[in-house]
Amino acid sequence: GAVVSQHPSWVICKSGTSVKIECRSLDFQATTMFWYRQFPKQSLMLMATSNEGSKATYEQGVEKDKFLINHASLTLSTLTVTSAHPEDSSFYICSAVWREGFRDTQYFGPGTRLTVL
Amino acid sequence: GENVEQHPSTLSVQEGDSAVIKCTYSDSASNYFPWYKQELGKRPQLIIDIRSNVGEKKDQRIAVTLNKTAKHFSLHITETQPEDSAVYFCAASTEEYGNKLVFGAGTILRVKS
Repeated sequence: GAVVSQHPSWVICKSGTSVKIECRSLDFQATTMFWYRQFPKQSLMLMATSNEGSKATYEQGVEKDKFLINHASLTLSTLTVTSAHPEDSSFYICSAVWREGFRDTQYFGPGTRLTVL
Repeated sequence: GENVEQHPSTLSVQEGDSAVIKCTYSDSASNYFPWYKQELGKRPQLIIDIRSNVGEKKDQRIAVTLNKTAKHFSLHITETQPEDSAVYFCAASTEEYGNKLVFGAGTILRVKS
């Protein structure tokens, strides 16, 4: 159980285009999902918290108009990188919170490598 | 806010030896401490976690200890194997913040055979 998928696994796009990344919890419902960004040889940097049925909460310094998050259902959250530029190239990882009783555990998706030319 | 420091940044051990990675946290309200293993280009995988109501948890070759008074927790891997080579991240969170995790900087573990 607790499987999280992400699509696409990698994407290459031209500067100025928008890219949508999907995060799905396959065998459980996730009220909360998180989006992270990871640079090479660095730790995971939380970008935003995605809650089903409400607006995402962004971390300080993350542009909400650039990184649009939509938590459309209890199993799907999407991250859209709008007007992407080379500096947006990174590894984007989502996680979904599995609630078991009163205990919550985060499980991660496989990540999406975005390259902006 | 919470700050998590992790040491060492790199660790090389001989196959069969033990490896210990340590983390300290700043927010005394933190009560959940997971450890994730990440292989190159792959997702972080939860390997063990501990909540503040216990001081130690063990799962086969992996154990985690927690000292709430000193605000530090450690990952112990015994009888290391080459497949244990990866980056390990510690994290801390408080339930009231929706389980938002604050990660340490990571430790590159190399197990030499």
